[in-house]
Amino acid sequence: SQELEQSPQSLIVQEGKNLTINCTSSKTLYGLYWYKQKYGEGLIFLMMLQKGGEEKSHEKITAKLDEKKQQSSLHITASQPSHAGIYLCGADKNAGGTSYGKLTFGQGTILTVHP
Amino acid sequence: EPEVTQTPSHQVTQMGQEVILRCVPISNHLYFYWYRQILGQKVEFLVSFYNNEISEKSEIFDDQFSVERPDGSNFTLKIRSTKLEDSAMYFCASSEWASSYSGANVLTFGAGSRLTVL
Repeated sequence: SQELEQSPQSLIVQEGKNLTINCTSSKTLYGLYWYKQKYGEGLIFLMMLQKGGEEKSHEKITAKLDEKKQQSSLHITASQPSHAGIYLCGADKNAGGTSYGKLTFGQGTILTVHP
Repeated sequence: EPEVTQTPSHQVTQMGQEVILRCVPISNHLYFYWYRQILGQKVEFLVSFYNNEISEKSEIFDDQFSVERPDGSNFTLKIRSTKLEDSAMYFCASSEWASSYSGANVLTFGAGSRLTVL
């Protein structure tokens, strides 16, 4: 079965600093999703990547999927306290992109941003 | 922005009792899901539901669990006889489609229902 490993497990940064979170898969990624979770709350969709080499940005957050489609990174530029939370990567469980919503998630990266 | 709403936000129950968690998915979504997250662990898939039947379910989703769409708006998860290990945050989610190739398989999650079994 597919496993997703995120690193680091936790990250503490000063406001304004850049940071990167990685998500590595044991198998080829056919759909990679980044979500943000605030403690005790639901998962908020950030971005979805499908093609090798794909890169997407939204505001100060950029996500990339490497060419081999086995690793994704999430980069935050000039972090703010509002970026604090738990970042989760999730992937389609089935090959071919037909997961029918059956996602495997990584264990999450806890981000703390100090003002 | 459309959202998935879940009730209750927190439920405490005694072991062996039946629990029903409720969800109102986004109105034009066709696929519905339940996930759970035990404290300190990963978010895990439980079940997906389409066209009034289960599409996929995980090993966790045994005979103690059932899902239903009793009317045009609600989607429920029932746990027949709760166990201590059922204590978790349960997330409902919905999506327009199921295939990520369509680009519309983005799951929108609710805020969760925290279940505590004593």
